[in-house]
Amino acid sequence: AQSVTQPDIHITVSEGASLELRCNYSYGATPYLFWYVQSPGQGLQLLLKYFSGDTLVQGIKGFEAEFKRSQSSFNLRKPSVHWSDAAEYFCAVGASGGSYIPTFGRGTSLIVHP
Amino acid sequence: NAGVTQTPKFRVLKTGQSMTLLCAQDMNHEYMYWYRQDPGMGLRLIHYSVGEGTTAKGEVPDGYNVSRLKKQNFLLGLESAAPSQTSVYFCASSYQGVGNQPQHFGDGTRLSIL
Repeated sequence: AQSVTQPDIHITVSEGASLELRCNYSYGATPYLFWYVQSPGQGLQLLLKYFSGDTLVQGIKGFEAEFKRSQSSFNLRKPSVHWSDAAEYFCAVGASGGSYIPTFGRGTSLIVHP
Repeated sequence: NAGVTQTPKFRVLKTGQSMTLLCAQDMNHEYMYWYRQDPGMGLRLIHYSVGEGTTAKGEVPDGYNVSRLKKQNFLLGLESAAPSQTSVYFCASSYQGVGNQPQHFGDGTRLSIL
């Protein structure tokens, strides 16, 4: 069975600082990996996804993520955080093929200090 | 440009009451999903549908029923509400594609069971 772990419940950064949110997955084969963002009172928005190919994936809002098979990780990064990036971030892992539905991590809350 | 619309946005029920949550999407997506979100638990899949007239159980289906009579609508029913079903419910949809990840989320229904 697939699973995903987000080790950090909360992350606090200063505006303008760089950001890295951690995500570790467990799955036997090559997984499909996703990052979503949720602003307060809203639904989730897909930031980026990895299916295959280049292990560095570019997403919306200036985010990127790197798939590292050897570490079973798919960490989300942003070089310079803006106050509007404060939100909840979810990593998800999906199985390849069929109608498998992604499993979500428990989320990391990003706090941005001015 | 509505996307995914959930009705109602808020509801308070008494234990034992029944209700139906409505999800409507206008993107002609094949796949639709119902999730519940609880603090510290991320999103957990309740039921999903891969097309009109089809439904399948997710991770936490007990106490819920669903129907997909029309492609654009996905209904979630609580036959006899329990306090443990107090949660925020999200509907999502996606096209039938690689990864099958939810692409568009509604803004959620906040449900309290007293």
